[in-house]
Order: sequence, then C-alpha cells, then structure tokens
Amino acid sequence: NAGVMQNPRHLVRRRGQEARLRCSPMKGHSHVYWYRQLPEEGLKFMVYLQKENIIDESGMPKERFSAEFPKEGPSILRIQQVVRGDSAAYFCASSLRESYNEQFFGPGTRLTVL
Amino acid sequence: GNSVTQMEGPVTLSEEAFLTINCTYTATGYPSLFWYVQYPGEGLQLLLKATKADDKGSNKGFEATYRKETTSFHLEKGSVQVSDSAVYFCALWGTGGFKTIFGAGTRLFVKA
Repeated sequence: NAGVMQNPRHLVRRRGQEARLRCSPMKGHSHVYWYRQLPEEGLKFMVYLQKENIIDESGMPKERFSAEFPKEGPSILRIQQVVRGDSAAYFCASSLRESYNEQFFGPGTRLTVL
Repeated sequence: GNSVTQMEGPVTLSEEAFLTINCTYTATGYPSLFWYVQYPGEGLQLLLKATKADDKGSNKGFEATYRKETTSFHLEKGSVQVSDSAVYFCALWGTGGFKTIFGAGTRLFVKA
C-alpha cells in the first residue's frame, strides 16, 4: 500500500512564476492537510481539505496561495507569482478520518525561488 | 494561544550516550502529543505518541511520558546510535480545529 506521494520532490522557480505542488493521499484517504516548513523551523499548518471542500484554511496566506482537492486526482497547492520568501519545504499529510491518529506525511516538495 | 517549545539544538552526543530532548506545551483542553523524526531530505515519520495524561509512548528505544502537571513530553533514549542523527519535532493536536502545532525541532548529531 503506497504511502502519501508528493511531486515534484524538488521545484525551482524564478520570481513571478507559478508553482504547482501535488499530493496524492494514501489509498482510501479523503482528508488532506498541507504544511510549510521554513529553513530551520518547524512545520506550520496551512490548509485542511476534504474531497471538493476546503475545511480550514486559517494558515494560508491571503494572497497568491490556493489549494484544491478535486473529486478525482491529487490535491494541488498553487502559489502564484512566487517570491523568494516562498522558498520552503511543503508537506502534505492525509488521513482516513478527521482524526490525527491516522495522519500520514508525504516526503515533501522543496521549492526554491531564484 | 497553543504552542510547543523544544530545547534548542543542535545536540551532539557520543554513541551509547543517554538522550533527553525537552518539550513543553501550552494548550487548552487535553491535546494528544507526538514526537516526529525527520532524516535529511525526507519527510516526517511519527516516532511515538500519547493521547492522555500519564500515557507513555515508546518506539525503537525512544520513550516519552505525557505529564499534565508539568505540561511536558520529554523524549528520552537510553543509548543513542549514529543512525539516530536527525531532527526531532514535538507536536500537539486536538485543541480545536484540525491543525497540528509543531515545535521548532531539535537537531541531534550522534558521533561514533
């Protein structure tokens, strides 16, 4: 049973470009969480989604960032017009239910903005 | 607000030394507590957890006890190995909403 998959693992963008990060949850999981890890810091919650619904986006920056989890396909975290401060590792986690005890993390996408 | 505070690193130990990484928390209600480990270039792996006061989580020789009276969840291991070199994160969940709150992480180096 494959774990949480994220791609790409590494992404390089120039300032002003768009970054699209993908997360495929574990099979059967319908709850997805995105976290951001800045260099030498812990993970910070960004958004929690269920299929086709955003449940909690209290950690998302108000501008340039958006997330979706369509009925079919992976969850997408989209960053428009990237800036150097967006350089970070972005982790996705998934769960079967709204319970932390089943939350599994992916390997992360490391975004570098030049 | 809710928060997690970990001892600052890096922590450097010799192989077979005793490890303690302190973690304290501030939270309303009764959160679940976790320790995660992150090896270089990888994601987070759940190391151990405790869901109520006085519970002891343990895994791979690591253990931590949920102490409500001192709001602590210190990580310990009796004899570290070089392969334990990683960053360790303390975290809490269940204080309202769905977010997990992480500490800043403590980097551990173990020398042979």
